[in-house]
Amino acid sequence: KAGVTQTPRYLIKTRGQQVTLSCSPISGHRSVSWYQQTPGQGLQFLFEYFSETQRNKGNFPGRFSGRQFSNSRSEMNVSTLELGDSALYLCASSFTPGGDTGELFFGEGSRLTVL
Amino acid sequence: AQSVSQHNHHVILSEAASLELGCNYSYGGTVNLFWYVQYPGQHLQLLLKYFSGDPLVKGIKGFEAEFIKSKFSFNLRKPSVQWSDTAEYFCAVRSGAGSYQLTFGKGTKLSVIP
Repeated sequence: KAGVTQTPRYLIKTRGQQVTLSCSPISGHRSVSWYQQTPGQGLQFLFEYFSETQRNKGNFPGRFSGRQFSNSRSEMNVSTLELGDSALYLCASSFTPGGDTGELFFGEGSRLTVL
Repeated sequence: AQSVSQHNHHVILSEAASLELGCNYSYGGTVNLFWYVQYPGQHLQLLLKYFSGDPLVKGIKGFEAEFIKSKFSFNLRKPSVQWSDTAEYFCAVRSGAGSYQLTFGKGTKLSVIP
């Protein structure tokens, strides 16, 4: 079956702009999580959505936001971009808690470069 | 807040050498532990996981990990590495069920020389 799909794969923005990233989870998965990956900080949790509700949020400023739609697809938005927002943004999907295998299935990521 | 520490940033081994990557976490309650691997140019994928039961867990491609509760450790091992094991390895912890929030270590890059 198809994996987690993230779009766009690469994008370049300038400081002050905003960006929206999209994630389509594996069919049937209802939980979507977002992570920021940078060489210095590694993988850092941004937020997690389940059935259109944000269940957890990481320690990121309010410029980072997200949402999940009824078909489980998710978007994350970063407003007023800063140079430090340059990173690989990873989306991961999971089964519902009733079928909890604990495994996250990751997409290939969206690489954001802020100039 | 929980944290995960991976001892080695970069490990270089020759083929057939044995591998052990260290991972320690800080959380006193029930945890679920994971090792993920990221091969060059590929997405993160699960190598193995520990939820409960036998503290020695086996994963894909001959990897295994041992959960030592008293040491808050979950070290990854492989008796004989291959060039194809060249990748970055991430240890992660989840505190309890019902959430898919993982706390990752910063990763260990493994380079295997043929």
